[in-house]
Amino acid sequence: DVKVTQSSRYLVKRTGEKVFLECVQDMDHENMFWYRQDPGLGLRLIYFSYDVKMKEKGDIPEGYSVSREKKERFSLILESASTNQTSMYLCASSLSTRELFFGEGSRLTVL
Amino acid sequence: GENVEQHPSTLSVQEGDSAVIKCTYSDSASNYFPWYKQELGKRPQLIIDIRSNVGEKKDQRIAVTLNKTAKHFSLHITETQPEDSAVYFCAASKSYGQNFVFGPGTRLSVLP
Repeated sequence: DVKVTQSSRYLVKRTGEKVFLECVQDMDHENMFWYRQDPGLGLRLIYFSYDVKMKEKGDIPEGYSVSREKKERFSLILESASTNQTSMYLCASSLSTRELFFGEGSRLTVL
Repeated sequence: GENVEQHPSTLSVQEGDSAVIKCTYSDSASNYFPWYKQELGKRPQLIIDIRSNVGEKKDQRIAVTLNKTAKHFSLHITETQPEDSAVYFCAASKSYGQNFVFGPGTRLSVLP
């Protein structure tokens, strides 16, 4: 079974703090994605990566950055958290751009 | 870019009835259309998908149809059961190497 693990299920941060969300997959998938899930808006792509040290902007990259130093790990970084970044963040990986395997999600609250 | 619309946003059916969720997409270059199911508090999981060279695909009680001309595709669930209650997301993507665009989701409730 593919396992995609997100380091934190729940986080509470203050406005202006730097936030790291970590994601690790154990199936040697080359593709990794970060989505944001908000009610009524579905899943919106923030960033994705098709290879180590490679990143591409998704539909809503503003306020976020990513890092992929190793194939199995894809990190989402909020340089200065704001209240409008309160959301559920989902990491996913895929062997091709077909089936996505999602992590459990990280619910971030920014106060 | 691609835009995926999904209707209805909520759907309630009696157990045993059928449920239909419809999606439209804007980019005629999209050629892969998966459906994901997300149960409450859980991760989204792929339940069925269809490629643009196929008009219909079935897997037990679930089927997906695709109309490329009209740029819409639908999820059909027959003989619904309480465990079908979840949020369902449709998505569209272009050929290899492109990302997915998801619809806003449909919350399906199957009433006993």
